Amino acid sequence: NAGVTQTPKFQVLKTGQSMTLQCAQDMNHEYMSWYRQDPGMGLRLIHYSVGAGITDQGEVPNGYNVSRSTTEDFPLRLLLAAPSQTSVYFCASRRGDSDTQYFGPGTRLTVL
Amino acid sequence: QQQVKQSPQSLIVQKGGISIINCAYENTAFDYFPWYQQFPGKGPALLIAIRPDVSEKKEGRFTISFNKSAKQFSLHIMDSQPGDSATYFCAAQNDYKLSFGAGTTVTVRA
Repeated sequence: NAGVTQTPKFQVLKTGQSMTLQCAQDMNHEYMSWYRQDPGMGLRLIHYSVGAGITDQGEVPNGYNVSRSTTEDFPLRLLLAAPSQTSVYFCASRRGDSDTQYFGPGTRLTVL
Repeated sequence: QQQVKQSPQSLIVQKGGISIINCAYENTAFDYFPWYQQFPGKGPALLIAIRPDVSEKKEGRFTISFNKSAKQFSLHIMDSQPGDSATYFCAAQNDYKLSFGAGTTVTVRA
């Protein structure tokens, strides 16, 4: 199993541009989440999904959209990138009957 | 406002020493308390976790102590090794959502 994979690994955007961060898992996990990691703030939950077709907001959802059309994929969309969205983004997944979350390797995003 | 407060921000320990990281929370609805270890350039990985009905859990050199009445929990790393140098995050879960502490960078000097 590849586990949780994320692409791209690095990305630089200009203010106002849009992009999609990709996340995929091959473990058939029901739950998937997106976090952002900023210095001195730990990881903060952006959006999460408890299954295909079901998504909900986390702690810091503004400026981000998600959808979940398949069990495997959970893309994160930035519609109008802002410098405040410069961060490292992590995708995570877990089985519905387990508390253990598995994190991807992260995407480092810089918005100029 | 962070729901889980973690301290210290960083610590340096000699090889063979004990590292202690403390966390505190307010929300009594939290029902699962994991610790994650993160190496530079990598995603966090689950290290050890505890539920509030248990006061202590040990896995190898890592021990969680949990004080439900004080709403505090801590991670003890015994016999610290250079390979333990990493950032450690405590977290608390409610309704399947994790809230993380700010992280502690541990440096183990040989």
